[in-house]
Amino acid sequence: GDSVTQTEGPVTLSEGTSLTVNCSYETKQYPTLFWYVQYPGEGPQLLFKVPKANEKGSNRGFEATYNKEATSFHLQKASVQESDSAVYYCALNSGGSNAKLTFGKGTKLSVKS
Amino acid sequence: DAGVTQTPRHEVAEKGQTIILKCEPVSGHNDLFWYRQTKIQGLELLSYFRSKSLMEDGGAFKDRFKAEMLNSSFSTLKIQPTEPKDSAVYLCASSKQSSNERLFFGHGTKLSVL
Repeated sequence: GDSVTQTEGPVTLSEGTSLTVNCSYETKQYPTLFWYVQYPGEGPQLLFKVPKANEKGSNRGFEATYNKEATSFHLQKASVQESDSAVYYCALNSGGSNAKLTFGKGTKLSVKS
Repeated sequence: DAGVTQTPRHEVAEKGQTIILKCEPVSGHNDLFWYRQTKIQGLELLSYFRSKSLMEDGGAFKDRFKAEMLNSSFSTLKIQPTEPKDSAVYLCASSKQSSNERLFFGHGTKLSVL
């Protein structure tokens, strides 16, 4: 079946430093890849999605490139802020008519001022 | 537009009790999902419905977990009987009928089983 593996947290950074959260996936299909973010007391919300290989997605300074050859979708941000503290989930949809998402286990990010 | 509404926000149960969690999806969405969230396992799929038909049932959860779509705008998740290991956050999500569409999540129900 499908699976997603991402950086095991927690990750603690100082404001202004760079972030990389690794994500790799396994599927036999042609997936759409997603990054979701979850703030305390809320459900996960979409950060961005990328439906095609070799394309980049971005939002709020975060970005990730869909690398089909490496089966990776690493999340990056050049300069994190305290407000970026949250749990980040990498996910995939394997396509076809099935809309379910397979999620990684999440990476908790804490940014200190 | 209203988002996904889950009730209650918190539930405390004694071991062996039956509990029912409720979810109202976004109006017009055809797909509805129940996920369990824990720190160790992250997000695990419990059930997936499309237009009220069960599309997928999380294999590990068939025993004591039963999700139903009573109509297109209301779903329940019953856990019977509850066990302490069921303590987790239960998330409901909905989406339009497409494999490419984002999921909209509710705030979740935090269940504690004593």
